[in-house]
Formats: sequence, structure tokens, C-alpha cells
Amino acid sequence: EPEVTQTPSHQVTQMGQEVILRCVPISNHLYFYWYRQILGQKVEFLVSFYNNEISEKSEIFDDQFSVERPDGSNFTLKIRSTKLEDSAMYFCASSRKSDTGELFFGEGSRLTVL
Amino acid sequence: DQQVKQNSPSLSVQEGRISILNCDYTNSMFDYFLWYKKYPAEGPTFLISISSIKDKNEDGRFTVFLNKSAKHLSLHIVPSQPGDSAVYFCAANSSGSARQLTFGSGTQLTVLP
Repeated sequence: EPEVTQTPSHQVTQMGQEVILRCVPISNHLYFYWYRQILGQKVEFLVSFYNNEISEKSEIFDDQFSVERPDGSNFTLKIRSTKLEDSAMYFCASSRKSDTGELFFGEGSRLTVL
Repeated sequence: DQQVKQNSPSLSVQEGRISILNCDYTNSMFDYFLWYKKYPAEGPTFLISISSIKDKNEDGRFTVFLNKSAKHLSLHIVPSQPGDSAVYFCAANSSGSARQLTFGSGTQLTVLP
């Protein structure tokens, strides 16, 4: 069964460093997303991406964040200068359609900012 | 942000019995509701959904009920199995923002053998 894959599974970084989280969405999906879950809190929407541009983004997704689809398969989330509060599990997701919320999530990348 | 609320952080049920997980929402613009299941060290997995034009949707052992007037939905699992033990998230979106899911805080279901 096709699945969304994410790398790395866990990254530890120093505050102020740049981090890139990578995702390979399911191949015939057209819509891509990043969500995050801070420990003990809800899963929160960050950004959605379609046709090589951002469709929607939340208030969390400020200028420190960016997304890119550098080739036909990868979808990346970059955090330019990490802060302690960026420590979270980051989930990539993809979907074929945009009119429902039936997303396929990856296993997540745990980011720890020291 | 309390637009989607799951007031029970945990629920324990005996194997073979019914599990009922509840969810309340406040945003009247929500018109599509979903349940996701999450095992430790995995991402959320889509389970079942319901559109606001319906009040019930069934898929095997899983049934979701929607009460729009009460802004309440529930997930029924019957019969419950030990493999159902996981965190269950309620989520919602609106057709005007179909790509953005708003999640509840989750309910840890434990099915006891």
C-alpha cells in the first residue's frame, strides 16, 4: 500500500539553526500538507500546497517557515532559524482531492530544538 | 483554539463491548467531519468521515453519528477489539477551507482483553 514517507525520523538542533524536514508524498496525490503536534497539544495545521504554490497557511506558518517541492517527488519544510518552541512532531500529509479532509499522513519527524 | 473539543482524554472498554467516543464543535462553518486513529510512533490514519448533509455513516465496525443542532458527533466501535487501542482524533473542516483540518485533542481508547 502506498504511503507517505518522512525523513529524518528525529532531528536534534541548536536554537537558531536551519532545519529541513523532507517528505515523499504518495505519487498520484496532488495536495500536500504540513501539520505539527507539540508534545501534549493538538495536531495543528501549518500549510497546504498545490500546483507548486501555497494554498493556505496558518498563523503559525510565519516568515521563518517555507515549503518547497524541489522535484517531482519530494516536499520539504524549512525552518530558517529554529526556536525552542519549534520543538514538535511534524507530520507531512498528502491527498488526491481537496474537497474532503481524507489525508494520508506520514509517521512524522520529531524536531528537538536545544 | 477550542473549535473542536474532545472532553474525554481516555476511555477503557472491555473487548467485545461498544466504544463510544465523543466530539463537540463550535464553528458553524464546519461541514465535514472525520475521525483519525493514531498509534504511538505513527502518523494519524484516516478512519471514517461524515458530511453535514448526513447524520450517520457506517463502515464495518465503525459508525459516526452527527447531530448538527447539538454540534456533536460520536464514533461507535462495535465490537471493540484490543487492536483498536489507540488515540482517536476528531477533526473538522469547512468546504471553504477544505484543506485545513482542525483537530480535537484526542481520546486514548484502551480495549481490555
